Amino acid sequence: GAVVSQHPSWVICKSGTSVKIECRSLDFQATTMFWYRQFPKQSLMLMATSNEGSKATYEQGVEKDKFLINHASLTLSTLTVTSAHPEDSSFYICSAGGTGVGDQPQHFGDGTRLSIL
Amino acid sequence: GESVGLHLPTLSVQEGDNSIINCAYSNSASDYFIWYKQESGKGPQFIIDIRSNMDKRQGQRVTVLLNKTVKHLSLQIAATQPGDSAVYFCAENTNAGGTSYGKLTFGQGTILTVHP
Repeated sequence: GAVVSQHPSWVICKSGTSVKIECRSLDFQATTMFWYRQFPKQSLMLMATSNEGSKATYEQGVEKDKFLINHASLTLSTLTVTSAHPEDSSFYICSAGGTGVGDQPQHFGDGTRLSIL
Repeated sequence: GESVGLHLPTLSVQEGDNSIINCAYSNSASDYFIWYKQESGKGPQFIIDIRSNMDKRQGQRVTVLLNKTVKHLSLQIAATQPGDSAVYFCAENTNAGGTSYGKLTFGQGTILTVHP
């Protein structure tokens, strides 16, 4: 149980386009979802925390107008990278937490590799 | 803390050896710690956790040690296997009781390579 699915797993697009990444909790209700970014050979950096039905809370230095997060239901959160540029190329990972999902605080998706040309 | 621009530390061991991976955490108020394994192109996978009221916890082939005095965490892997090769991260949760709602702060990470 406690499976988190992320889609797409890999996306390549041209500079200036917007890209939407989906994060779904398949078998539990995710009250809280987290979005991380990971550059090569580096650690995971938290970008934002979203609670279902509320506005996301962004970490310092993360542009909320560039990284739009929507958490409209208990099983789906989306991250939209608006007007993406090559420096936005990274590995984006979501995680989900909720009640009744065992003893782990967050369950992670398998990430989305975003490459901006 | 952040490690922007730095390469991850590496640890190379022979198959069958024991591995010890270390982590220094930053927040003395953190009350819950987790070790994750991350394979290439995948998300972190939970290995073992420990709460701040403990100093040792054992799982299958893994042991986590917590030293709150020096804010240090270690992961010991017994009889390391090639399948253990991955990047290992410690994470700290500064939320009372370690609930699902707490933010995780990830450590720098260590690349473990196990040679057959």
